[in-house]
Amino acid sequence: ETGVTQSPTHLIKTRGQQVTLRCSSQSGHNTVSWYQQALGQGPQFIFQYYREEENGRGNFPPRFSGLQFPNYSSELNVNALELDDSALYLCASSLGSDTQYFGPGTRLTVL
Amino acid sequence: KNEVEQSPQNLTAQEGEFITINCSYSVGISALHWLQQHPGGGIVSLFMLSSGKKKHGRLIATINIQEKHSSLHITASHPRDSAVYICAVRSDRTSGSRLTFGEGTQLTVNP
Repeated sequence: ETGVTQSPTHLIKTRGQQVTLRCSSQSGHNTVSWYQQALGQGPQFIFQYYREEENGRGNFPPRFSGLQFPNYSSELNVNALELDDSALYLCASSLGSDTQYFGPGTRLTVL
Repeated sequence: KNEVEQSPQNLTAQEGEFITINCSYSVGISALHWLQQHPGGGIVSLFMLSSGKKKHGRLIATINIQEKHSSLHITASHPRDSAVYICAVRSDRTSGSRLTFGEGTQLTVNP
């Protein structure tokens, strides 16, 4: 157990809908990173939040957005869902650039 | 060409065998991670390396910064070691602690 939790565990949406995924950091961690992992591939970096500010973004369109709250928990929002958004979404918390601790992931299916 | 390449993609071994998984990367890095992912998605961080060698139980990780290469070794492999092993690097050119991942090595250890 890493102390990082994610909700929901699984989610099914249809094309065009919007989704919000949540991540609760390990106690004492101030940095949250989000990754998308398509089936059979390695995770891809979406963005990172450090002390409530975006601190780096991968090659994802603006319909992927996020928030980090004062308690360092975080949300990933995806608008106008597309079929290719179907993936496992992982969040990882850390204290700055130290070791990242991963949550169990949210599996999103877009129909 | 991916910035992080792993080999082999798939590996099947008999219980007790010595296993090596390789990772090559093409960018300057500040750290390299070895991660383990079990079916269902949860990722566990095994090692974070910036030089030399680390050992934890039956697992050994080495890195050669000049050659941009790292290896993960498992001694006396066991069926419970069956998982996907992922190499990830933190580039020294990006801010924050974003990770770039290899595609993973699927390890199956048969009894």
